[in-house]
Amino acid sequence: GESVGLHLPTLSVQEGDNSIINCAYSNSASDYFIWYKQESGKGPQFIIDIRSNMDKRQGQRVTVLLNKTVKHLSLQIAATQPGDSAVYFCAENIATGRRALTFGSGTRLQVQP
Amino acid sequence: DGGITQSPKYLFRKEGQNVTLSCEQNLNHDAMYWYRQDPGQGLRLIYYSQIVNDFQKGDIAEGYSVSREKKESFPLTVTSAQKNPTAFYLCASRDRSSGNQPQHFGDGTRLSIL
Repeated sequence: GESVGLHLPTLSVQEGDNSIINCAYSNSASDYFIWYKQESGKGPQFIIDIRSNMDKRQGQRVTVLLNKTVKHLSLQIAATQPGDSAVYFCAENIATGRRALTFGSGTRLQVQP
Repeated sequence: DGGITQSPKYLFRKEGQNVTLSCEQNLNHDAMYWYRQDPGQGLRLIYYSQIVNDFQKGDIAEGYSVSREKKESFPLTVTSAQKNPTAFYLCASRDRSSGNQPQHFGDGTRLSIL
């Protein structure tokens, strides 16, 4: 079935480098996308969102890019810090029906000091 | 502080026993959700409720039940019919009043089998 997926299960970066986490989605009816950060033993924490009528949105040290042509979403983290180490999930909201999120399986980001 | 409170943090279930996980929010959100997370995997939707006294099955509702008698509360019961209940359970809520809004999550309940 249609789902959200991720290309890289684990990403290891050096402290201070930029990180890019990728996500592919397959449902063309999705109109809203969210990135979450989950630390061990905790619930997902909202990072940034983007609506389908946009292709880029920036927050503090984070940028989300949306390419609807190839159904691709990415999260860029600038100057990655040890506190950024966590599992990152992308989630999509389908415009029709129940409006509940569909989550990918997650990417673990490991920041090396 | 406004937020979502899940309790207990850890829960153990005996064979044939029903257990209830609590989820309370003081965000005044209409919509609430229950997800299950297995190790190394994403979240799967169990049940959701868009408004008080109404709820809908998600993708993996079998063996679970919910109620939504109050806006701030959405308890999940894991019944004995759920044969593989060991997982991390997450509750979320969302503001439906103004278009697309993110879901906000509690810190989960970890359920294990005795």
